[in-house]
Amino acid sequence: AQSVAQPEDQVNVAEGNPLTVKCTYSVSGNPYLFWYVQYPNRGLQFLLKYITGDNLVKGSYGFEAEFNKSQTSFHLKKPSALVSDSALYFCAVRAPTGGGNKLTFGTGTQLKVEL
Amino acid sequence: GAGVSQSPSNKVTEKGKDVELRCDPISGHTALYWYRQSLGQGLEFLIYFQGNSAPDKSGLPSDRFSAERTGGSVSTLTIQRTQQEDSAVYLCASSLATARPEDEQYFGPGTRLTVT
Repeated sequence: AQSVAQPEDQVNVAEGNPLTVKCTYSVSGNPYLFWYVQYPNRGLQFLLKYITGDNLVKGSYGFEAEFNKSQTSFHLKKPSALVSDSALYFCAVRAPTGGGNKLTFGTGTQLKVEL
Repeated sequence: GAGVSQSPSNKVTEKGKDVELRCDPISGHTALYWYRQSLGQGLEFLIYFQGNSAPDKSGLPSDRFSAERTGGSVSTLTIQRTQQEDSAVYLCASSLATARPEDEQYFGPGTRLTVT
């Protein structure tokens, strides 16, 4: 069975500082990994994904994520945080075969960027 | 173009009543998913439709939950005899026609269901 862990319920960072939101996963085979963001009272918006190739993936709004196979991690990063980045972030995994096409999500990390 | 739409945006119902939640996927997307987002529990997969194939119902929590997709487009999630633990935000998503595992899913705004 596939699973995702987001060990931090909340991350606080000052505007202008770098941010990291952690994610580790468990899946059979090579994973497909995704990050989504949810603003209050909104649905999830796709940020970025890792399928294959370069371990550093760049996505929307200046976010990037680094795939680390040996550590089974896919941490979300941004060099300089903005107050408008404050939202709920979800990491998700999908197995390339088997398990259907469903995404398995982590429990989410609330990011708070303060002035 | 238009994204995934869901209706109603909010639904308050009494325990024991039936409810229907509607999802309109992005035009041309043949894959459609339902998820449930409960407070503090993240997102939980419920059911998946892909074209004319039999749906993957493996995530439905009980036989009170059912879903159908008419004409390969609009989907309705029905919850019978609602219970308070059914209170959650129900999210619908769709993905590209090929529905490859690497395709991202596009989510609607959700329906917030409150069972009193």
